[in-house]
Amino acid sequence: AQSVTQLDSHVSVSEGTPVLLRCNYSSSYSPSLFWYVQHPNKGLQLLLKYTSAATLVKGINGFEAEFKKSETSFHLTKPSAHMSDAAEYFCVVSARERGGKLIFGQGTELSVKP
Amino acid sequence: DAGITQSPRHKVTETGTPVTLRCHQTENHRYMYWYRQDPGHGLRLIHYSYGVKDTDKGEVSDGYSVSRSKTEDFLLTLESATSSQTSVYFCAISALNEKLFFGSGTQLSVL
Repeated sequence: AQSVTQLDSHVSVSEGTPVLLRCNYSSSYSPSLFWYVQHPNKGLQLLLKYTSAATLVKGINGFEAEFKKSETSFHLTKPSAHMSDAAEYFCVVSARERGGKLIFGQGTELSVKP
Repeated sequence: DAGITQSPRHKVTETGTPVTLRCHQTENHRYMYWYRQDPGHGLRLIHYSYGVKDTDKGEVSDGYSVSRSKTEDFLLTLESATSSQTSVYFCAISALNEKLFFGSGTQLSVL
């Protein structure tokens, strides 16, 4: 079975400081892992994706995530937060079965203070 | 944006009435999904489809049914709407590489 846990429901940072959004997963198979972002009143957008290639994955807008199998983690980071990064972020694990069903975490709301 | 259109964008209905939400895609992707988004729950999968007339239940399928008679259309039906089904509904599509493209969402209010 697959599951994903986002460890923080809300994270607040100051503009220009690092961002860390934490995600742990559980999977019976080699997982595919994703981070999605949702800005207010918008649909979701893919930030980055891990599929068993390089363990450090670079995404859009300066975000990156590192797959750590020993820790079953896939934390999202960014060196320097920007005001436009304020949004809700979802960690997602893919079930390697027919349909590639995705399991979403509960989301982490990121606030960026000026 | 990927060619995904959800209709209607907003819907207000009364308890006990049937409601159908439509997802239309122009990408010819095989997989289509319906999610609902609620505060504190994130996105939860309702139903998904892996081809015409091939559908399967997600984690919160009770009270919902779906149909996929054409590749481009995936319909979500609430047979008898309840207040607990007030939510934002997202349609998503994907090809075989698992990258999802999402629609803009449908805000449904059941009074």
